[in-house]
Amino acid sequence: DGGITQSPKYLFRKEGQNVTLSCEQNLNHDAMYWYRQDPGQGLRLIYYSQIVNDFQKGDIAEGYSVSREKKESFPLTVTSAQKNPTAFYLCASSISGQGSHEQFFGPGTRLTVL
Amino acid sequence: SQELEQSPQSLIVQEGKNLTINCTSSKTLYGLYWYKQKYGEGLIFLMMLQKGGEEKSHEKITAKLDEKKQQSSLHITASQPSHAGIYLCGADSLSTSYGKLTFGQGTILTVHP
Repeated sequence: DGGITQSPKYLFRKEGQNVTLSCEQNLNHDAMYWYRQDPGQGLRLIYYSQIVNDFQKGDIAEGYSVSREKKESFPLTVTSAQKNPTAFYLCASSISGQGSHEQFFGPGTRLTVL
Repeated sequence: SQELEQSPQSLIVQEGKNLTINCTSSKTLYGLYWYKQKYGEGLIFLMMLQKGGEEKSHEKITAKLDEKKQQSSLHITASQPSHAGIYLCGADSLSTSYGKLTFGQGTILTVHP
């Protein structure tokens, strides 16, 4: 079955540590996205990638980094510079980054900083 | 930047009742998406609207985009406990052609049996 997978589902991190969230899709989509969700704030865009080896900052990129070395994978690293990393992180993909296209979402990763 | 405002923020209804959730934009909407989310899970796509006056339905859920393309509504007929969750509207960026979505803050729907 085609879809988007995120791992792990729950992640705990100590302050000062970097942590990487995995996102994989087998939908053959060109575009991929990372969102952060906090209670009462909807989703906010962290980074997006329209094509392999290219990515752009979203609205809240500070303290995060990404890579897009393969079409199927778009990992997100939460660095120690991110001051309030505890949140629910959602990865999404769409067939293209151009024009209006439905985005498909993964199940999410809940990150908690201890 | 475009902002999307959803109303109400939360809604509690009795099973069998109809309800409406609204999504209002400060700018013209060029692609309006409705998603549903169960708490702690990913978003499930419901419908996409693009044309002014467009209306789409799926089972008991109907979404509309007004003629001016600045407001969308999601209407649920004869609500059921399975409709409970968080409903989010999202819209395409207006300044460029890439598919970057801006989301509303979400509407939490509770349906009592």
